[in-house]
Amino acid sequence: GAVVSQHPSWVICKSGTSVKIECRSLDFQATTMFWYRQFPKQSLMLMATSNEGSKATYEQGVEKDKFLINHASLTLSTLTVTSAHPEDSSFYICSALSSRSSGNTIYFGEGSWLTVV
Amino acid sequence: GQNIDQPTEMTATEGAIVQINCTYQTSGFNGLFWYQQHAGEAPTFLSYNVLDGLEEKGRFSSFLSRSKGYSYLLLKELQMKDSASYLCAVRNGGATNKLIFGTGTLLAVQP
Repeated sequence: GAVVSQHPSWVICKSGTSVKIECRSLDFQATTMFWYRQFPKQSLMLMATSNEGSKATYEQGVEKDKFLINHASLTLSTLTVTSAHPEDSSFYICSALSSRSSGNTIYFGEGSWLTVV
Repeated sequence: GQNIDQPTEMTATEGAIVQINCTYQTSGFNGLFWYQQHAGEAPTFLSYNVLDGLEEKGRFSSFLSRSKGYSYLLLKELQMKDSASYLCAVRNGGATNKLIFGTGTLLAVQP
């Protein structure tokens, strides 16, 4: 079964509104989670690194005020797309690094489809 | 900057062997991963290389040469269900240990 759960799997929202996507590690503690965005027929693009108890680290070109990331506990990170626009429509996916792993265990969530109308 | 390059598309025949190449230039290196991704789904882990050489796992093998910044994924006895995108990803080490994905290769397996 899944060890990283994302919710919602898909969401439709109106332009200008905000939407929150949750990423939970189910049976391990994740000090670090990563958020990716994937447009159709393209690869995964890293948006930011989410660290428990501290501010997220954003990749170049990603607006931190638009994509708010909160990692309030060792099992939950949230991505909030604020003032969404149609061009934000994409597949968003998180991954978690197990704090117990030797370094090669990265788990992916199931992904969330966002459509902004 | 960081570059991880793969061929965009490949086509192969059922039962054959296909090799998908990946070249990388990253600021750090702490392992290279290969993932399979079907459209609309999350990536699934295939292999991990951190030392030079070949890692074999059933029909899938992955090779790494750190000095050349090069890896390949070898798929044997191709099946129709192997039609998918194959993503090469490099973990850059350091404090964040983040995973950077390559451009991805869309493989089409034909009868």
